[in-house]
Amino acid sequence: EVVMTQSPATLSVSPGERATLSCRASQSVSRNLAWYQQKPGQAPRLLFYGASTRATGVPARFSGSGSGTEFTLTISSLHSEDFAVYYCQQYNNWPPYTFGQGTKLEIK
Amino acid sequence: QVQFVQSGPEVKKPGASVKVSCKTSGYTFINFALNWVRQAPGQRPEWMGWINTGNGNTKYSQNFQGRVIITRDTSASTAYMELSSLRSEDTAVYYCAREDHWFEYWGQGTLVTVSS
Repeated sequence: EVVMTQSPATLSVSPGERATLSCRASQSVSRNLAWYQQKPGQAPRLLFYGASTRATGVPARFSGSGSGTEFTLTISSLHSEDFAVYYCQQYNNWPPYTFGQGTKLEIK
Repeated sequence: QVQFVQSGPEVKKPGASVKVSCKTSGYTFINFALNWVRQAPGQRPEWMGWINTGNGNTKYSQNFQGRVIITRDTSASTAYMELSSLRSEDTAVYYCAREDHWFEYWGQGTLVTVSS
């Protein structure tokens, strides 16, 4: 099973600033990685697949990058609605699909 | 538009079973596999299993092997997840999600509470 590890666990950033979230895989997953945003009481929302392909409706201030075992989600200028928990998920080696433990992005 | 509507919350005693439904609309049901993902309070999502809605083939996480059964009714465009031998650690929100290897479409979630 591929283990996904995200860092940091919590990130405190001020609105308007840049946020960089990391995700590491225990073995190469090529570019078969997705990112999700989750707000309280809601299902996860897909942001990216293929490591860097933006899902429908995702603002351009969000970008994804990386391949192999190291991936990054960047939000260039934080809006109030961006404060949430973010998860990465690999789909290169399944079953099972596996998720990271999440990064909570909070207002500084 | 693509919509998934799941059944309502459940409260079960330890040892019991629960069956959650996921009714889909807005697309051709048999063209996409469906997955079940659960999320315990404050935890990461956990993949449970997958069903090929066309032929009914299934794959399950080893964490649930023997306790979970995923089925579908193509005439109703609905998938089902049954989890047996419930224990308190199974308290979670259970989601259905459409398969593209990533999960773009999700149900609203069904809270299953296991408590004596």
